[in-house]
Amino acid sequence: SQQGEEDPQALSIQEGENATMNCSYKTSINNLQWYRQNSGRGLVHLILIRSNEREKHSGRLRVTLDTSKKSSSLLITASRAADTASYFCATDNLSLTQGGSEKLVFGKGTKLTVNP
Amino acid sequence: DADVTQTPRNRITKTGKRIMLECSQTKGHDRMYWYRQDPGLGLRLIYYSFDVKDINKGEISDGYSVSRQAQAKFSLSLESAIPNQTALYFCATSDLSGTGGHYANTGELFFGEGSRLTVL
Repeated sequence: SQQGEEDPQALSIQEGENATMNCSYKTSINNLQWYRQNSGRGLVHLILIRSNEREKHSGRLRVTLDTSKKSSSLLITASRAADTASYFCATDNLSLTQGGSEKLVFGKGTKLTVNP
Repeated sequence: DADVTQTPRNRITKTGKRIMLECSQTKGHDRMYWYRQDPGLGLRLIYYSFDVKDINKGEISDGYSVSRQAQAKFSLSLESAIPNQTALYFCATSDLSGTGGHYANTGELFFGEGSRLTVL
């Protein structure tokens, strides 16, 4: 079953507006990552936030992590038409037997459309 | 040249045929993955490998097998393809995030451009 679940499934906004996407997960994690995918292309890494971090910034991206609620959010500020893509969260699951990484599991994604 | 190269990029085959998708990387990463992407289902993990001697099943390994021929090469096989294996397949590699040796946390994944497989 999927570990991360993004919400909403689809989001349509105007250029210049902010876009917020959420991700919920079920098990303990080492870190959580966000990826972007242009239609039919490979995924590209955006940002990684460790389990002991609460917020991280990268350019127009802001990611938060709440491990008590097992949730994360990705905020894209001042969106542009070029931000149109699908966005996925991925969790690096904690291995209960080995104590490190078990595997990286992706959610179903949020499809963002930014209208010019 | 791309860091993660998948071949073929597109393949149409018939039910019952054996298919191999190949992945090679120049990143020097130990960890490699095969994912499958279907519309509305996101990416699902088929198999992953933390080093040449380590192969692990993912969520949906039934009907698939893999071979880690070298650190840089990880191939996915469909022994007898069926129509519901029609999908976009991605290979990825990852670095480590922090310490911990073999079981260190997973860092950023680097994806190939995908192999679109159609089984008729």
